[in-house]
Amino acid sequence: EAGVTQFPSHSVIEKGQTVTLRCDPISGHDNLYWYRRVMGKEIKFLLHFVKESKQDESGMPNNRFLAERTGGTYSTLKVQPAELEDSGVYFCASSQDLAWETQYFGPGTRLLVL
Amino acid sequence: RKEVEQDPGPFNVPEGATVAFNCTYSNSASQSFFWYRQDCRKEPKLLMSVYSSGNEDGRFTAQLNRASQYISLLIRDSKLSDSATYLCVVNMNDYKLSFGAGTTVTVRA
Repeated sequence: EAGVTQFPSHSVIEKGQTVTLRCDPISGHDNLYWYRRVMGKEIKFLLHFVKESKQDESGMPNNRFLAERTGGTYSTLKVQPAELEDSGVYFCASSQDLAWETQYFGPGTRLLVL
Repeated sequence: RKEVEQDPGPFNVPEGATVAFNCTYSNSASQSFFWYRQDCRKEPKLLMSVYSSGNEDGRFTAQLNRASQYISLLIRDSKLSDSATYLCVVNMNDYKLSFGAGTTVTVRA
């Protein structure tokens, strides 16, 4: 069974540019989560989808971040315009039916904003 | 106050040694508890869930103390392959995971 995949693995952009991260959850997993780890800090929750619906986006830092999950399959996280403090590792995770089941993490996208 | 606090280590131990470390969590209403393992530049992977009665998985033993709001992990007979960062993770509700910053363990030959 394929795990959670994320694209790209790395992204280096300049301040003010736009970047879009993609996450493909494990097939059949309705729950999809985005987390972020900035340098020197712990991993922090960003938001949670159940199928195509946003259940909780309380962790989104500001309105420069937009997450979508059209059709309830893959998800994208767009940062526009990117700022220096957005640098970090963005993880996607998915889980099956019950939200408290094990969350399986993707390898992450390493974003560097210069 | 952070939701989950861990001793960052590093814990540097010889092969075969026992190493143990804790984490504390701030929200007494937390529902479920986990230890995840993260290798360098890799994603977190579930090591084990932590139950109120304590549980073992091979050389790994996890304990939960709800009264004191702390969780522990003990690794017996350490292997070189146990070198990693161990993340204490708490589920505050039914989906949002809160992570500690991690405890680094290095097992030397």
